[in-house]
Amino acid sequence: GNSVTQMEGPVTLSEEAFLTINCTYTATGYPSLFWYVQYPGEGLQLLLKATKADDKGSNKGFEATYRKETTSFHLEKGSVQVSDSAVYFCALSDTTGFQKLVFGTGTRLLVSP
Amino acid sequence: NAGVMQNPRHLVRRRGQEARLRCSPMKGHSHVYWYRQLPEEGLKFMVYLQKENIIDESGMPKERFSAEFPKEGPSILRIQQVVRGDSAAYFCASSPPNSLGTEAFFGQGTRLTVV
Repeated sequence: GNSVTQMEGPVTLSEEAFLTINCTYTATGYPSLFWYVQYPGEGLQLLLKATKADDKGSNKGFEATYRKETTSFHLEKGSVQVSDSAVYFCALSDTTGFQKLVFGTGTRLLVSP
Repeated sequence: NAGVMQNPRHLVRRRGQEARLRCSPMKGHSHVYWYRQLPEEGLKFMVYLQKENIIDESGMPKERFSAEFPKEGPSILRIQQVVRGDSAAYFCASSPPNSLGTEAFFGQGTRLTVV
């Protein structure tokens, strides 16, 4: 079945450091890929998405590229801020025609001043 | 345009009681999904509903859990005879019809605590 594997956290960085959170997936067909962010005590917010191979999703300085050859969708940001501290979830959508999402276990990011 | 609304935000139930969680999808959205997030884990799909129909309930526990999305009113996730292991955050998401390739929008969740 479909699955998503994320690097374990927490990831601890200083402000302005470079961020990479690894995500790989297993899926049949051509799923869409997503990164969601969950701030403390809040629900999930869509951060970015990519719907086909080689697409790059970007938002708020975050980027991720859909790599079919390596089945990866790694999240990157060039310079993190304290306000980026949150849990980040990689997810893929089922390819059967509706939005059943399969999530990774999440990676907690802690950014210190 | 209000987002996905879930209530209550926090719910405390004693073991053996019933829990009812409500979800009002975004305006124009006819697809509703329920997910459960256990402590320190990712979200797990539970059920997908359209108005008056359960489309996929492959993630629902076989007993005590049920969901509905009536013609009028919010979607309801019902948990009967709750146990401590049901303590989790329950998230609802909605999407418009014919939404292949677009994202689902999530509510803020209901945090259920069973004491």
